[in-house]
Amino acid sequence: GIQVEQSPPDLILQEGANSTLRCNFSDSVNNLQWFHQNPWGQLINLFYIPSGTKQNGRLSATTVATERYSLLYISSSQTTDSGVYFCAVVPLAGKSTFGDGTTLTVKP
Amino acid sequence: NAGVTQTPKFQVLKTGQSMTLQCAQDMNHEYMSWYRQDPGMGLRLIHYSVGAGITDQGEVPNGYNVSRSTTEDFPLRLLSAAPSQTSVYFCASSADRGEKLFFGSGTQLSVL
Repeated sequence: GIQVEQSPPDLILQEGANSTLRCNFSDSVNNLQWFHQNPWGQLINLFYIPSGTKQNGRLSATTVATERYSLLYISSSQTTDSGVYFCAVVPLAGKSTFGDGTTLTVKP
Repeated sequence: NAGVTQTPKFQVLKTGQSMTLQCAQDMNHEYMSWYRQDPGMGLRLIHYSVGAGITDQGEVPNGYNVSRSTTEDFPLRLLSAAPSQTSVYFCASSADRGEKLFFGSGTQLSVL
């Protein structure tokens, strides 16, 4: 099946810093989504982004489907951004697959 | 709208017991799915449904059973609980397969 790799696995930032999270996938996909899992375990859909670029406040995402990767940018990070960030893909022939996540810790 | 509602939030079972995790959505979504999340890992797909009466297996279906009699409900049954099924279980739904996915709050299950 499709492989989804996220990097880095862990990231520690000082409040106010910027960061880039990466998601690589091994096959063509129908869609890609980014999720934030907060420290209480709740999963929030950040972006539905099969291709192109989207922005939502301090967060933006870019997917380059032809090169099989997506990037999530977090600017001016806040402590509330802490948690685990997952990307999930649905391949052209297959079932939804999640990466193992990037754990982000933002220190005050 | 309540979105995706899962019950119970916590459950402790003994090995061999059976139980049903409930999932309901009020968004008229056709696609519903169940995932399990183990420590330090991403979510793995257990079963999914593309509409009432239609279900299919995901990546880790063994030991679980599902049915979809209505658009709103998608229960997950553990037939004979095993310690390896200790995990956090999430239900999710979307308007259609491959569309934006919405998650419930999860069920933390421990099997002793």
